[in-house]
Amino acid sequence: DQQVKQNSPSLSVQEGRISILNCDYTNSMFDYFLWYKKYPAEGPTFLISISSIKDKNEDGRFTVFLNKSAKHLSLHIVPSQPGDSAVYFCAARGRFFGNEKLTFGTGTRLTIIP
Amino acid sequence: GAVVSQHPSWVICKSGTSVKIECRSLDFQATTMFWYRQFPKQSLMLMATSNEGSKATYEQGVEKDKFLINHASLTLSTLTVTSAHPEDSSFYICSARDRSVRNEQFFGPGTRLTVL
Repeated sequence: DQQVKQNSPSLSVQEGRISILNCDYTNSMFDYFLWYKKYPAEGPTFLISISSIKDKNEDGRFTVFLNKSAKHLSLHIVPSQPGDSAVYFCAARGRFFGNEKLTFGTGTRLTIIP
Repeated sequence: GAVVSQHPSWVICKSGTSVKIECRSLDFQATTMFWYRQFPKQSLMLMATSNEGSKATYEQGVEKDKFLINHASLTLSTLTVTSAHPEDSSFYICSARDRSVRNEQFFGPGTRLTVL
């Protein structure tokens, strides 16, 4: 049962434009969401996170939006740069998990076209 | 800060042998470490949660006798794949939780295991 889903396995965006990556979740007990960036043969790198008490969090070129009623979050990258090409995972966790384990989505491969 | 290392970065072994993977937090103390496995083009799947000084908590479907986890110190956790088989070939990633940084998890670079 995939509780966190990223329905787009890949996305191509022109350099300088906005990249929008989407993520849906099914478990309403999740209360904290994170986005990670991953290069091949490397571990994920934390990008940005958002608590369920907020609907937006911004950090430089990265903004995460959360729509709790739709159980949907998105990551916006603007402007997109070639170095942003990587696989992006969204992840979720909930207090009821105790030790705050993360549940990951299936990932979206983002390719920025120069 | 918040650097997590893994050793080895890749390993090839024969079927039936055991392989040990180390995960170290280099500049912080990690009371909790997590072990994940990622198959090609799939998500990271949590295998187990490792707490320093206590037994690991395994996710459903993960054999604890096959994937032995030891968290003997606040900076080191090890995962031993016992009697490895080709289907165990995967990318194994650990993460460590740094309580001083909003409880975020920091990931190691991963270990590519290939079982022949």
